[in-house]
Amino acid sequence: KAGVTQTPRYLIKTRGQQVTLSCSPISGHRSVSWYQQTPGQGLQFLFEYFSETQRNKGNFPGRFSGRQFSNSRSEMNVSTLELGDSALYLCASSGREGYGYTFGSGTRLTVV
Amino acid sequence: QQQVKQSPQSLIVQKGGISIINCAYENTAFDYFPWYQQFPGKGPALLIAIRPDVSEKKEGRFTISFNKSAKQFSLHIMDSQPGDSATYFCAASSKRDDKIIFGKGTRLHILP
Repeated sequence: KAGVTQTPRYLIKTRGQQVTLSCSPISGHRSVSWYQQTPGQGLQFLFEYFSETQRNKGNFPGRFSGRQFSNSRSEMNVSTLELGDSALYLCASSGREGYGYTFGSGTRLTVV
Repeated sequence: QQQVKQSPQSLIVQKGGISIINCAYENTAFDYFPWYQQFPGKGPALLIAIRPDVSEKKEGRFTISFNKSAKQFSLHIMDSQPGDSATYFCAASSKRDDKIIFGKGTRLHILP
């Protein structure tokens, strides 16, 4: 059974640009959550999608957005990038809400 | 009330020793308590999990102890090995709220 796939693995962007990250969940999983991880800040919850609907949202500015497609694949977008957006962005899928989260390896975003 | 408080932030243990990481929660609706292990450059991976109807769960060298009345749970790593050096996250989730809350993580280093 394939795991959670995140692409790309690494990304370097310039301040002010926008970026789109992709996440393919485990087959059959309908819940996809996104987290930002920075040193010392742990896992900061961005948002969660279930059946193409955003069900939960963390405390991030509107520059951070996401969506989920009918095949459960998800994308997150960050517009007008800031230096502070440099982080590891993790996607997790779950077949049953809140239980048995499986994380991808993440996308390492560097904003210069 | 949604927080999960994890301590210590970092931990150094001699090889062969016992590593202990503690977590506390407030929300009595939580009914699933997983621990995740994260190596550098990787996403967190589910290590072991417990439900509140048991006080202890053991898988190999890893044990979760759960104290429902104190609303605390802990991870014990017996005979700690250098390969256990990683960041550990405790978490709590509730079917009712459909959310999973993570602790801030503990960076564990096992001295060879």
